[in-house]
Amino acid sequence: SSELTQDPAVSVALGQTVRITCQGDSLRSYFASWYQQKPGQAPTLVIYDEKNRPSGIPDRFSGSSSGNTASLTVTGAQAEDEAVYYCNSRDISGDHVIFGGGTKLTVL
Amino acid sequence: QLQLRESGPGLVKPSETLSLSCSVSGGSISGSPYYWDWIRQPPGKGPEWIGSIHYSGNTYYSPSLKSRVTISVDTSKKQFSLKLTSMTAADTAVYYCARHPLGSGSAMDVWGQGTAVTVSS
Repeated sequence: SSELTQDPAVSVALGQTVRITCQGDSLRSYFASWYQQKPGQAPTLVIYDEKNRPSGIPDRFSGSSSGNTASLTVTGAQAEDEAVYYCNSRDISGDHVIFGGGTKLTVL
Repeated sequence: QLQLRESGPGLVKPSETLSLSCSVSGGSISGSPYYWDWIRQPPGKGPEWIGSIHYSGNTYYSPSLKSRVTISVDTSKKQFSLKLTSMTAADTAVYYCARHPLGSGSAMDVWGQGTAVTVSS
């Protein structure tokens, strides 16, 4: 299929670790990227090509992948990490980009 | 530092054509190893990729929008543009332009601030 599935919401206690997942058949062939979006703002790239961090992104953000599942891990979550996180990747054909439905992260 | 800025009408009537432009500043649009993308986000929903263009004119479109979408590039103006025909209420969204490095599967590393488009009579 050409869909990416994310849990709608997850929560984490301040300073703890949380993993956000993204599932899809195309992830067996193509890398995922991850975006953070805060209200009223454009998405910001936090992880690209599975596990690479753009400059300026804190190293508490990390990415990994296994089989048809890509994961974004936030180690030591901070209050400012509260946001919606989206994954994206290619569809099975490789010609098109697809996005997951997003996971709202709440930091308690 | 590269910046992108979308421009266009905030209100479009049903059945009309939406025309948006994205201006690139602080960097080059031509001869560069990037695709230039359009993405939209309906209220309360996730982003939806619309399509990509390379400065050479090579394009890719979302299968669900392909029949209504045209993306073009004007390297002399450092702009790329989106046309979406036969607009309906379902096309109401914030429309973003973004830069998409070649060789990266799906990463969009620079985004515009977005422009809100409402379809209403």
